[in-house]
Amino acid sequence: GGIITQTPKFLIGQEGQKLTLKCQQNFNHDTMYWYRQDSGKGLRLIYYSITENDLQKGDLSEGYDASREKKSSFSLTVTSAQKNEMAVFLCASSTPDWWDTQYFGPGTRLLVL
Amino acid sequence: GDSVIQMQGQVTLSENDFLFINCTYSTTGYPTLFWYVQYSGEGPQLLLQVTTANNKGSSRGFEATYDKGTTSFHLQKTSVQEIDSAVYYCAMRETNTGKLTFGDGTVLTVKP
Repeated sequence: GGIITQTPKFLIGQEGQKLTLKCQQNFNHDTMYWYRQDSGKGLRLIYYSITENDLQKGDLSEGYDASREKKSSFSLTVTSAQKNEMAVFLCASSTPDWWDTQYFGPGTRLLVL
Repeated sequence: GDSVIQMQGQVTLSENDFLFINCTYSTTGYPTLFWYVQYSGEGPQLLLQVTTANNKGSSRGFEATYDKGTTSFHLQKTSVQEIDSAVYYCAMRETNTGKLTFGDGTVLTVKP
């Protein structure tokens, strides 16, 4: 088994601020993902990384940067937080096999004042 | 484009009621279909998946049948319990890219 850890659990920011969310996994998975979850909406893919130092844009990459520093960690940066923004950011990981299951972390809850 | 439709945003039931959550999908090819469940304060976790058309997936009393004819993957449970209260997401994985597309989710509340 393994676990995905996301920090911080809650993040409160100011409009225009740059905010960074971190994700660590000990599954030894090659592929990692960042999703955004809005209330009443499905998960939307922001960025994913197939291996260390790789970055691929998802459907919602505008306004975000990502960094895959090493195999076990994947960071997401909100480049300029939008006022009244509220969402949950979910990190996930999987093996590179396209048929494999994605395992999710507990999420970081963002609120922008 | 590819899409997954869950029309029921909220479902409220009493314990031992029958559960039925609609899910339809739109894509080309033969996707793998999933149901994920998300309990309060946690990330989504895989409930069940089916790779082959006309097959049924089941887990923890839940089941869903991959119906390619009607492009549906409805989730059912004969007798729900309060602990089943959660958000349920239908999802589809594209054959070529492996990318997951999620429905908007259904919030299930089961009253004791």
